[in-house]
Amino acid sequence: AQSVTQLGSHVSVSEGALVLLRCNYSSSVPPYLFWYVQYPNQGLQLLLKYTSAATLVKGINGFEAEFKKSETSFHLTKPSAHMSDAAEYFCAVFYSSASKIIFGSGTRLSIRP
Amino acid sequence: NAGVTQTPKFRILKIGQSMTLQCTQDMNHNYMYWYRQDPGMGLKLIYYSVGAGITDKGEVPNGYNVSRSTTEDFPLRLELAAPSQTSVYFCASSYSQAMNTEAFFGQGTRLTVV
Repeated sequence: AQSVTQLGSHVSVSEGALVLLRCNYSSSVPPYLFWYVQYPNQGLQLLLKYTSAATLVKGINGFEAEFKKSETSFHLTKPSAHMSDAAEYFCAVFYSSASKIIFGSGTRLSIRP
Repeated sequence: NAGVTQTPKFRILKIGQSMTLQCTQDMNHNYMYWYRQDPGMGLKLIYYSVGAGITDKGEVPNGYNVSRSTTEDFPLRLELAAPSQTSVYFCASSYSQAMNTEAFFGQGTRLTVV
């Protein structure tokens, strides 16, 4: 079955600390993977995407994600959290066999001063 | 460049009423999607379309209908509104080519059914 799992519905880190948001997917073929960010009362904005060109993908606002095929994971990281990073983050997968994008349940990131 | 435009932004419906959520995109994308977002549940796919004249059910299609008569427009219809349809609805579009499949989202429609 096609699925995307985000571990942890809420993550809280201190300002300046490492951010790690986890995403695992199910797929028998290399998928196209995305991370989106949603600020309060707004739509979703693309942070970064993996399309098989490179396993380490850099995105906007200092975020990056690494594709690990053996672990079927695409975790999102940022070395140093900033207050403005507080938002909801969604991992998503495009399944070409089904021509649709499936989203994870989201992780709310809070930043402590 | 307007991107993906959804109307209305907010709406309150009474149980049993009907309404259409409008979505239009000006990027000539083949693929269009409707999602609903409930707190703590992420985004659930309602319906999607891979091109004009072609639509298909997603994860939660019951109570909704769609049509895709043009490339630009993908309206979502609620025929008999129910409280369970209270949610935030997002329309999105994307190219179909493999390297450019990321979805572009509208700003959402917040619907309350009372």
